[in-house]
Parts: sequence; structure tokens; C-alpha cells
Amino acid sequence: AQTVTQSQPEMSVQEAETVTLSCTYDTSESNYYLFWYKQPPSRQMILVIRQEAYKQQNATENRFSVNFQKAAKSFSLKISDSQLGDTAMYFCAFMKHAGGSEKLVFGKGTKLTVNP
Amino acid sequence: EAGVVQSPRYKIIEKKQPVAFWCNPISGHNTLYWYLQNLGQGPELLIRYENEEAVDDSQLPKDRFSAERLKGVDSTLKIQPAELGDSAVYLCASSPGGRSSYNEQFFGPGTRLTVL
Repeated sequence: AQTVTQSQPEMSVQEAETVTLSCTYDTSESNYYLFWYKQPPSRQMILVIRQEAYKQQNATENRFSVNFQKAAKSFSLKISDSQLGDTAMYFCAFMKHAGGSEKLVFGKGTKLTVNP
Repeated sequence: EAGVVQSPRYKIIEKKQPVAFWCNPISGHNTLYWYLQNLGQGPELLIRYENEEAVDDSQLPKDRFSAERLKGVDSTLKIQPAELGDSAVYLCASSPGGRSSYNEQFFGPGTRLTVL
């Protein structure tokens, strides 16, 4: 079974600064995907960024980037130039690569607050 | 394009009463997921459908929970009878399905259930 651990229940950052959210995972699978999801107070879960385990290059999406360390089973999210709209719960998630429609395994989340 | 639709958004019932949640996935999406999100936790899969077939219901408490997706489109999740511990957010998600390498899951806004 896969597990995902987010060790930071809450974090805060000043607007325009950079913040890094941590995530570790445990799996015996060799091929999988890792994700960061954002859940604003309205509760609609939105995909922020995706990383394929077989790719060594870290994924980036505008202000969002990841640091994927496969050997250490670590997958952190860096948010640059933080904006007030980034305030939300952030969930790290794992999905094994077994045909495309597998379940997501989530961590407990990190509550991020961006202060003006 | 309309997103995943869920209703009701909020539901308050007394314990031992039945309750049902409805989900309409994105048009053309073959895979439908029901996730349970307890307060302060990440979502956990309850059941996954490929068209009308439940392909993963290992985490569904079958003594009180049931689900159906009769025509492979919309789905209903039922609890009977509800217990205090069922208070949570019930999330529905859908993905295109098929055997492609990756299918993004799109989430609905969820139904927040309160059992008194």
C-alpha cells in the first residue's frame, strides 16, 4: 500500500515571497505519478502540478515548481511570488501507473495562508 | 464545458436517517470516483466506476453504504442508516478513462454532510 505524508499542517507566507511545502511518500511501485492539488475554501479540488516518476526533470507550471527526489521519496512544492489567491489547503497525492484511471492516495494536507 | 456537478451541496440529517448524494460527471468521462474527506484529512477513495462497473469498492463500508451508476453516466451514493461518524465531505470526481497513460481527475464541489 502507498502512503503520503505531509509534515506541515499549517504554513504562512507574505505576499510576493516564496514558500515550499513538503511531502514524502512510500511505495514499492516503480512507475507512478505524483501530484499537488489545491483546495480553496470553496472546496473544489484543483490540480496544480503533476510529475511522472520516470522523468528526472522537475515539473514547473508558471509560479509553481516541484523538487522531486525519487531515491529519497520526496516531492516538495515551491510557490514563487505568492499571491493572496494561493491561500488554500494543498494536498500531495500519489497514483500508481497502471492504465490511467487509478485512485489517488492523498496526504493530510497543508493549510497555506498568504498574508498581505 | 460544465464541470462535475454534485447535489446537494449541504445536507443535515439526524442519525439513523438515510441520505443520498448525486453526481453528474463531465460529459464523456467514463471513470467516476467517490471520495470521502473527513475534517482535516485528505480524501480517501470509496468507490471507482469504469462506465457502469464498480472496479474498486474495497474501501466502501458495504453494511451501510451503497452506490450505483446504472447507465454509466451519473451516480448516486447512499448511506442507510447514517451514523454520527459519517459527517464529512463526499467528493465526486471523473476522468476520461480508457487505457491511456494518464487521465486527470476533475473534482466536483462536494457535498458536506452533517449527522446530528
